[in-house]
Amino acid sequence: EVLLVESGGGLVQPGGSLRLSCTTSGFTFSNDWMSWVRQAPGKGLEWVANIQQDGSEKNYMDSVKGRVTVSRDNAKSSLYLQMNSLRVEDTAMYFCARGSGASRFGYWGQGTLVTVSS
Amino acid sequence: SYVLTQPPSLSVAPGQTARISCEGNNIGSKSVHWYRQKPGQAPVLVIYDDTVRPSGIPDRFSGSNSGDTATLTLSRVEAGDEADFYCHVWDSTHERPVFGGGTRLTAL
Repeated sequence: EVLLVESGGGLVQPGGSLRLSCTTSGFTFSNDWMSWVRQAPGKGLEWVANIQQDGSEKNYMDSVKGRVTVSRDNAKSSLYLQMNSLRVEDTAMYFCARGSGASRFGYWGQGTLVTVSS
Repeated sequence: SYVLTQPPSLSVAPGQTARISCEGNNIGSKSVHWYRQKPGQAPVLVIYDDTVRPSGIPDRFSGSNSGDTATLTLSRVEAGDEADFYCHVWDSTHERPVFGGGTRLTAL
């Protein structure tokens, strides 16, 4: 069974930092691109970032470039999202998803909630 | 960037057919994927590559894609089908995935 489990969310003040994690099992993690997708409260899905199998290529949505870094540890089958200089508008549920978005996102985690507020 | 437009809401009587549209410029030339998201849950893939149902998805779900409109069709709607549905394509110009704004399906 394919499982993706996010963690690391929480309440943070504007300008603060968080590191999200996504632990996976049930598939060969090192064979797949991985992505982060977020959903602001009451809003739609928004792709945030993706990372190639070996970590050599990373892509980001414009509004997070320079503030967010995606990384992975294939030995631990885990995906990460380091978020710095957080803004109120970054408040969202953050999902990790299997795939780059160039094709389907076949599996999703349950998400971890990031709230940026003073 | 590439824009996908979905109706915000759709109401269908139980037992009837729901057709959820996803409009984009020449979307027929792209592969479209559809997700169902129930309240408080993660999205679930229900159709990929325009017409393909993943294992475990009922055959009441089907998809089509031509011209400027892709359509997700759900036949024999049940109360348990109430959810938000999102379409997704790859924007090859900007090399990033794009989602539609989502459609909330309500069974009257």
